[in-house]
Amino acid sequence: GQQLNQSPQSMFIQEGEDVSMNCTSSSIFNTWLWYKQDPGEGPVLLIALYKAGELTSNGRLTAQFGITRKDSFLNISASIPSDVGIYFCAGLVSQGNLIFGKGTKLSVKP
Amino acid sequence: EAQVTQNPRYLITVTGKKLTVTCSQNMNHEYMSWYRQDPGLGLRQIYYSMNVEVTDKGDVPEGYKVSRKEKRNFPLILESPSPNQTSLYFCASSFPGGTSTDTQYFGPGTRLTVL
Repeated sequence: GQQLNQSPQSMFIQEGEDVSMNCTSSSIFNTWLWYKQDPGEGPVLLIALYKAGELTSNGRLTAQFGITRKDSFLNISASIPSDVGIYFCAGLVSQGNLIFGKGTKLSVKP
Repeated sequence: EAQVTQNPRYLITVTGKKLTVTCSQNMNHEYMSWYRQDPGLGLRQIYYSMNVEVTDKGDVPEGYKVSRKEKRNFPLILESPSPNQTSLYFCASSFPGGTSTDTQYFGPGTRLTVL
């Protein structure tokens, strides 16, 4: 079946540093989504991307929809302790049917 | 408040004892889904439903059943739970359509342990 390869698997950074993570697939997606999951909670949508090449920001977060439609990137600028969590990419296979990456666990040292 | 609710939040049971995890949403969403989350495997879709009485298998449907008799509810049924179904389960809902309304809203999760 379709798979999303998300990297890195985990990151341990200093507060104030920028963060980059990415997601790749052998399949084309028409929608890419980025979620964050805090401990003990369900994933919460951060950014949705609907067009190849699209660059979208949400505060300190910026995500890009790769031009090939097979990848997406998420950047976090000037990280703060509350950025800690697991970040998931997801591709929309069909309406209501999402496939998720395995997540990037982010730890931020104050 | 717009939300997806799941019950119970925590459940410990024994092999073979039928159980149901309920999911309800108050946003009038057409689409609802169930996922399981396991360490190192991320979120995997179990079943999804596009509307009342319309359901389809996700990536890992074996050992699970669902029903969608009403738009707001989408229970997950384990007829004969086994230890490999020990996991964290999430319900999610969304509107259809290729716009910003296509995003899924997740419930708080149900942690299931099958002994």
